[in-house]
Amino acid sequence: GAGVSQTPSNKVTEKGKYVELRCDPISGHTALYWYRQSLGQGPEFLIYFQGTGAADDSGLPNDRFFAVRPEGSVSTLKIQRTERGDSAVYLCASSAGRNTEAFFGQGTRLTVV
Amino acid sequence: AQSVSQHNHHVILSEAASLELGCNYSYGGTVNLFWYVQYPGQHLQLLLKYFSGDPLVKGIKGFEAEFIKSKFSFNLRKPSVQWSDTAEYFCAVEGSQGNLIFGKGTKLSVKP
Repeated sequence: GAGVSQTPSNKVTEKGKYVELRCDPISGHTALYWYRQSLGQGPEFLIYFQGTGAADDSGLPNDRFFAVRPEGSVSTLKIQRTERGDSAVYLCASSAGRNTEAFFGQGTRLTVV
Repeated sequence: AQSVSQHNHHVILSEAASLELGCNYSYGGTVNLFWYVQYPGQHLQLLLKYFSGDPLVKGIKGFEAEFIKSKFSFNLRKPSVQWSDTAEYFCAVEGSQGNLIFGKGTKLSVKP
């Protein structure tokens, strides 16, 4: 597709469950970023992939959060044992590298009940 | 650590009024700066960016921003707003890995 695609657009899950959020970046973009946006806040950086490897995961809040990008394209953000505080919009962005524009997806709104 | 401050949480203007949204960043070295906009129900879109060169940057839809290094500022301006400019505006600085560090955002409401 022409833009960054995220699925699902909405996800409601029960506390304690496991969720996976998917990001399809723009074809050819080597850099992929995950952000989390809570209500009333700007997006906060979670993790950065350059190709298949996680180059910087310093933004992941704790070890319940994990992300992969096995073939250097699609990425999956995985959250174990979800908590109500994980409720937020999770955004994915891709770019051709530093000093280039990052393109954002529409986000996945995660609600933990 | 780098951080970004946006001074206004919510700005309400009438159409044709002039707009200035404040943004200050914390890092004193070379910076890449951005303004993103999020229209209701849409994804974040780049309005304009500053990497180097002319500190007055022109963006889409008549927006511009001025980089003032001595003030650590990158304020967004538009001479005459339209109802369609109603959106949330985010200032961001690029981190060491190309990630973006965002401010909390400013909601702009333009009354027709």
